[in-house]
Amino acid sequence: QEQLVESGGGVVQPGRSLRLSCAGSGFIFSNYALHWVRQAPGKGLEWVALMSYDGTNENYTDSVKGRFTISRDNSRNTLYLQMNSLRPEDTAVYYCARDFDASGSGRLWSWGQGTLVTVSS
Amino acid sequence: EIVLTQSPATLSLSPGERATLSCRASHSVSSYLAWFQQKPAQAPRLLIYDASSRATGIPARFSGSGSGTDFTLTISSLEPEDFAVYYCQQYNDWPRLTFGGGTKVEIK
Repeated sequence: QEQLVESGGGVVQPGRSLRLSCAGSGFIFSNYALHWVRQAPGKGLEWVALMSYDGTNENYTDSVKGRFTISRDNSRNTLYLQMNSLRPEDTAVYYCARDFDASGSGRLWSWGQGTLVTVSS
Repeated sequence: EIVLTQSPATLSLSPGERATLSCRASHSVSSYLAWFQQKPAQAPRLLIYDASSRATGIPARFSGSGSGTDFTLTISSLEPEDFAVYYCQQYNDWPRLTFGGGTKVEIK
């Protein structure tokens, strides 16, 4: 059964860093593009970043460009999100999601359960 | 950025009734539109992609229609487990994926 499990969330002070992980199982991890999507408390969904199946292509929403970095280790079936210079408005549940295809189509086929990041002093 | 506007914000219905949810795009997204269901403290679940194709394991009571700027998600007869928040999402403006603000379907 396909599964995505996020970890690494927690409480962090503004300006500090945090790295999220997303472990995949039950599917061929290296065959698919992967995304990070976040949801602020009580709010809607916001796409954050994408990485292609082989790590050669990455894209970000404007509000995190220059601060967040997406990466993947296909040998470990794991996706990462390095978050630097965190701001209170980055507070959210962060989900990883598998795309329908290798380079990315935007069809968010399956999702993890999410990990909560709280940015507060 | 393509803005998706969902209406109504809240839909109050009884089990067995038909639910009709709307999603309007600020610019054409062709048929590159998906619908998700989200229950409290759960991750979103893909229901419909490419405007009208049901995802794996999604019951036939869920159907999607539309193209261009106007889309509809229909639940033909509400089951108790269908009361949730529903989001539309476009992927025409690649890779700048955007979501609508959501429609909450609540028990009347």
